[in-house]
Order: sequence, then structure tokens, then C-alpha cells
Amino acid sequence: AQTVTQSQPEMSVQEAETVTLSCTYDTSESDYYLFWYKQPPSRQMILVIRQEAYKQQNATENRFSVNFQKAAKSFSLKISDSQLGDAAMYFCAYRTGTQGGSEKLVFGKGTKLTVNP
Amino acid sequence: AAGVIQSPRHLIKEKRETATLKCYPIPRHDTVYWYQQGPGQDPQFLISFYEKMQSDKGSIPDRFSAQQFSDYHSELNMSSLELGDSALYFCATSDGSRSYEQYFGPGTRLTVT
Repeated sequence: AQTVTQSQPEMSVQEAETVTLSCTYDTSESDYYLFWYKQPPSRQMILVIRQEAYKQQNATENRFSVNFQKAAKSFSLKISDSQLGDAAMYFCAYRTGTQGGSEKLVFGKGTKLTVNP
Repeated sequence: AAGVIQSPRHLIKEKRETATLKCYPIPRHDTVYWYQQGPGQDPQFLISFYEKMQSDKGSIPDRFSAQQFSDYHSELNMSSLELGDSALYFCATSDGSRSYEQYFGPGTRLTVT
């Protein structure tokens, strides 16, 4: 079974600074997808960024970028120019890409990000 | 753009009662996933449906059942509620044949007293 590990239960960053959240995963599959979800106090799950395992290029969405290291099974999220609205719980998630396989998302335990003014 | 709709948003039930949670997918989405998120925990997969058929099953108690209807909306039925069932229940949907992304609804907060 696939597992996702987020080793940082809590992180803090100063407004306008950069922070990196770590995520590692364990899988025997070669085809899969990785995601970062943001969950603010409203508890809504918001997709931040996605990465297809077959793509070598790291995904980027505005101030959010990932460092995807397939061999090391690492998928970290970098938030640049942090804003107060970035404060939230961040979940790393895995989904198989195998045809006919379970398409459920497997989540890490989450990292609570605090942004200090 | 239309989003996933869940109803009710909040539900308070007593132990041993039943509850029904509803999920209305984004138009043209044919796949529905249910997740349970306990306090301070990550979301856990319960069950999924594709084209009205159950496609996968996770750690869903036998007291829970679910189905997807002809209009693709889904309902999660929970019976003999226990205190431990208090959680946030998310529905997520996708266009199963075209996209691997899952779009989450706002969740239903269930409190069992």
C-alpha cells in the first residue's frame, strides 16, 4: 500500500519570505500523481498544485512550486513571497495512475503553516 | 464555475440515530469519492463510485452505505451513529474518463452527541 509522510507537523514563516514543506511517499508504482492541498480554517480542501510522475519538469503555479525527486520519492512544496492568506494546513496526497487501480487519494498527516506578519 | 455541492453543511445527531449526507457533482463529473476527516486528522477514503457502480472501498464501517444515482449525485447513509463518527465528511468528484483531479465539496460537519 502506498504511504505518504509529512515529517513537519508545524512550520512558520515570516510574511514575504519563502518556506518549503516536505513530503515523502512510498510506492512500487511508476505511474502516479502527486498533489498538495491547502485546508484553511474554513476546512475547505483546495488544490494547490499537481505533479504527474512521468513529467520530469517541476510543476509551478504562481508563488507555489514543487521539487519532485522521483528516485528519492520526495515531493516538497515551496511557497515564495508568503502571504497571511497562505496560513493553513497543507496536505500532500498520492493517487495511483495505474489503469483500473484505486483512484483514491492517500494523504499525509499534514503540516500546519503559520505566517507571521 | 459550478462546484461540488454537499448537503447539509452541518448535522447534529444523537447516538444510535441515522444520517444521510448528499453530494451533487460538478456537471459532467461521473465519479464520486467520499472521505472522512476526524478532528486533527487527515482525510480518509471511505468509498467511491464510477458511473453509478461502486469502484473502490476503503475503511468504511458496515453501518455505512452509499450509492450513486442516475443523475450522478451520491448519498452516504450512516446508521447506528457513534460518538466516533463525529467528523467532517467530504465528497470529491472527477470526470473519471478525462481527468485525474478530484474536486472537493465544502464538506458536511457531522456531530454525534
